[in-house]
Amino acid sequence: QKEVEQNSGPLSVPEGAIASLNCTYSDRVSQSFFWYRQYSGKSPELIMSIYSNGDKEDGRFTAQLNKASQYVSLLIRDSQPSDSATYLCAVNFGDNQGGKLIFGQGTELSVKP
Amino acid sequence: DAMVIQNPRYQVTQFGKPVTLSCSQTLNHNVMYWYQQKSSQAPKLLFHYYDKDFNNEADTPDNFQSRRPNTSFCFLDIRSPGLGDAAMYLCATSRMSFQETQYFGPGTRLLVL
Repeated sequence: QKEVEQNSGPLSVPEGAIASLNCTYSDRVSQSFFWYRQYSGKSPELIMSIYSNGDKEDGRFTAQLNKASQYVSLLIRDSQPSDSATYLCAVNFGDNQGGKLIFGQGTELSVKP
Repeated sequence: DAMVIQNPRYQVTQFGKPVTLSCSQTLNHNVMYWYQQKSSQAPKLLFHYYDKDFNNEADTPDNFQSRRPNTSFCFLDIRSPGLGDAAMYLCATSRMSFQETQYFGPGTRLLVL
């Protein structure tokens, strides 16, 4: 059973701090990794995709991937109250039509003013 | 703007009364997905179309069916909704495969009375 695991939180950080969201996955063959943000009652919105080991930065967001440790993380710098949402980690466990995107349970982030 | 559109945004139906949810996309993507997301849970893949090829998940109940009459449109039919089918239904698309980013529509929230 291929799995994606996240701490459900809630993770509470003060405004301006760095929020660190973590995700582990169970399959070394995984190729593609995604972070989605989901506000309450809304659909998931892509924050970042990452395909190779290392860091990928986009504005205040940095995704980090370590395939040997089967670990992917999302750092949010200068956290804002508007970042308060559930963050979903998603991992692709295959390729082309045979693959499947598995979502973690999500980590609820609360940024306090 | 190119996007994924879902209608209706909210659907109320009676126990056992068939309901159809629709999804359309202007991205010209080959793959369209239907997910079910219950409160505080991860999105769960029901099925997907790779072009005209239908791929059903093994644990998707027979009560759920799908149609894709053309590239742009995809429908989710729930033949006899039960109380347990109340959820957010998310349509997503990707260009060619699971490895690529999936773009979500706004979702349809289904309430079963």
